[in-house]
Amino acid sequence: ETGVTQSPTHLIKTRGQQVTLRCSSQSGHNTVSWYQQALGQGPQFIFQYYREEENGRGNFPPRFSGLQFPNYSSELNVNALELDDSALYLCASLMDGNEQFFGPGTRLTVL
Amino acid sequence: AQSVTQPDIHITVSEGASLELRCNYSYGATPYLFWYVQSPGQGLQLLLKYFSGDTLVQGIKGFEAEFKRSQSSFNLRKPSVHWSDAAEYFCAAKSNAGNNRKLIWGLGTSLAVNP
Repeated sequence: ETGVTQSPTHLIKTRGQQVTLRCSSQSGHNTVSWYQQALGQGPQFIFQYYREEENGRGNFPPRFSGLQFPNYSSELNVNALELDDSALYLCASLMDGNEQFFGPGTRLTVL
Repeated sequence: AQSVTQPDIHITVSEGASLELRCNYSYGATPYLFWYVQSPGQGLQLLLKYFSGDTLVQGIKGFEAEFKRSQSSFNLRKPSVHWSDAAEYFCAAKSNAGNNRKLIWGLGTSLAVNP
């Protein structure tokens, strides 16, 4: 139990729709990272937020966007969903350190 | 380019046997190194980490890993595997420079344990 929670657990959408995934960080953690994990693959870094500002981004298109709130909870938004966006989305929080604490993930299926 | 390689996609061992999962990294300087475990339908749990110092690192659940700079490796070991160890294992690395907190991941090694 890491103290990082994600919602919803599972989600089914259709192509072209938009989705918002949520993450509550471990208490006191001011940094959150989001990862996409396709079936049978390792996680791929999407982006990271530090004190409400994006401070790192992986190789994902602009239709993947995020927010971090003053309480350090976070959202991942994906517009114009594509079939290949089907994956497990993981968030991880950390506090000025190097160890990331992961939530259980949100399983997104795009039909 | 920075990368992490796990050469073994799938490994099967018998319960009670020893285990070694391989991990190699390619970085400009020695990165911070991690091993995570992911059980089916679960998130990622940190097993152990290496930042500096003693090259033999002890983790949870009886796992250990040895950092070898000369081989750019960080292999995970366990002397006696339990059936509950069946899971996906990921090696990850992070630059130790600046504010770069991005983790680079291997593709994972799937471990099956025979009774």
